[in-house]
Amino acid sequence: RKEVEQDPGPFNVPEGATVAFNCTYSNSASQSFFWYRQDCRKEPKLLMSVYSSGNEDGRFTAQLNRASQYISLLIRDSKLSDSATYLCVVIIGNAGNMLTFGGGTRLMVKP
Amino acid sequence: NAGVTQTPKFQVLKTGQSMTLQCAQDMNHNSMYWYRQDPGMGLRLIYYSASEGTTDKGEVPNGYNVSRLNKREFSLRLESAAPSQTSVYFCASSGTSDSYEQYFGPGTRLTVT
Repeated sequence: RKEVEQDPGPFNVPEGATVAFNCTYSNSASQSFFWYRQDCRKEPKLLMSVYSSGNEDGRFTAQLNRASQYISLLIRDSKLSDSATYLCVVIIGNAGNMLTFGGGTRLMVKP
Repeated sequence: NAGVTQTPKFQVLKTGQSMTLQCAQDMNHNSMYWYRQDPGMGLRLIYYSASEGTTDKGEVPNGYNVSRLNKREFSLRLESAAPSQTSVYFCASSGTSDSYEQYFGPGTRLTVT
């Protein structure tokens, strides 16, 4: 079983739609959680961290559910430029140098 | 300020050939990493260097060696390439070994035939 699992998609949504992705992690010692964004044939870049109380950054909202071991990313008012692959990332324990990546969820926003 | 740079961008090797992937960062970061990315697998850590002079194995180190040449440069060597090493290789760096934000280079697309 993979440590971090994501639905690969693709999620095809129209501009302006709200879309949500979930990610599940298997190791209960996971301490830190993030979403990275990766454009087609480009490198990953940090999108946002995920805090226990949930956090928002503009149109993006991240939530953590430790009891069920999943994190979520909600994107409101989708833009064409949001089309990308979203990578769920977990740090297990105190291994700050060991990021564990999910396989990514592909989002395609259509006009 | 170029961030993290990698060379080459593309490479085709025959089975058994060797090559070195180069990575350099100009952000004065202490830690550097090598990942491979395969379809549906996510990024997997090959080796990392928490600081100059140290290197450690990651999740998938077999078939690879690394050298932390100085604070800026971290190279990855394939001594005898195999088709299973066909992948996209990313180098990354971060400010400290506890810093979660890693900055990635543009990647090297390697095909082994």
